[in-house]
Amino acid sequence: AQSVTQPDIHITVSEGASLELRCNYSYGATPYLFWYVQSPGQGLQLLLKYFSGDTLVQGIKGFEAEFKRSQSSFNLRKPSVHWSDAAEYFCAVGATGFQKLVFGTGTRLLVSP
Amino acid sequence: SQTIHQWPATLVQPVGSPLSLECTVEGTSNPNLYWYRQAAGRGLQLLFYSVGIGQISSEVPQNLSASRPQDRQFILSSKKLLLSDSGFYLCAWSVGTFRYYEQYFGPGTRLTVT
Repeated sequence: AQSVTQPDIHITVSEGASLELRCNYSYGATPYLFWYVQSPGQGLQLLLKYFSGDTLVQGIKGFEAEFKRSQSSFNLRKPSVHWSDAAEYFCAVGATGFQKLVFGTGTRLLVSP
Repeated sequence: SQTIHQWPATLVQPVGSPLSLECTVEGTSNPNLYWYRQAAGRGLQLLFYSVGIGQISSEVPQNLSASRPQDRQFILSSKKLLLSDSGFYLCAWSVGTFRYYEQYFGPGTRLTVT
């Protein structure tokens, strides 16, 4: 069965600094991969997705993610973090033939002034 | 455009009382619908999903049930709430074959069982 690991529970980044959130997945075939963001008390918003093709995908709010099959990773990046990016970020994997997504446990991003 | 509604937004219920949470989707037909629970520090747990009216798949045995009486309506219920049912409940939808897995979430319901 597929699984997702987000090894960092919390990350603190200074405003204006770059960001990388880690995500590792476990799945035998080519996965469908997603990053979602959740502000406190809110639902989840889709940031970006990878289905196939170019391994570097662009999303909303200036985020991007790179799929690396050899490392089973799909890390989320942003070159310059804004205070409004403080939120919880979830990586998810879907599998062909299933209607479900499997989510990681999330990484809480704190942005310091 | 599509929108998803959940109500109520917050709910405080005593142990042993019944529960009904409602989710509706607008602007799409025959969506796949999902109920998740989010407990502190535990990420999202898929509770139920539905690919059509009356078709419910349960992911984990628990004190909850789900129903889909209409195409765009998904209801989460319990006959008797437990303390462990407290959490943030999220409804989500997806549609289409290729985009089966691209889910869109509602605003959530915060349930506190006292």
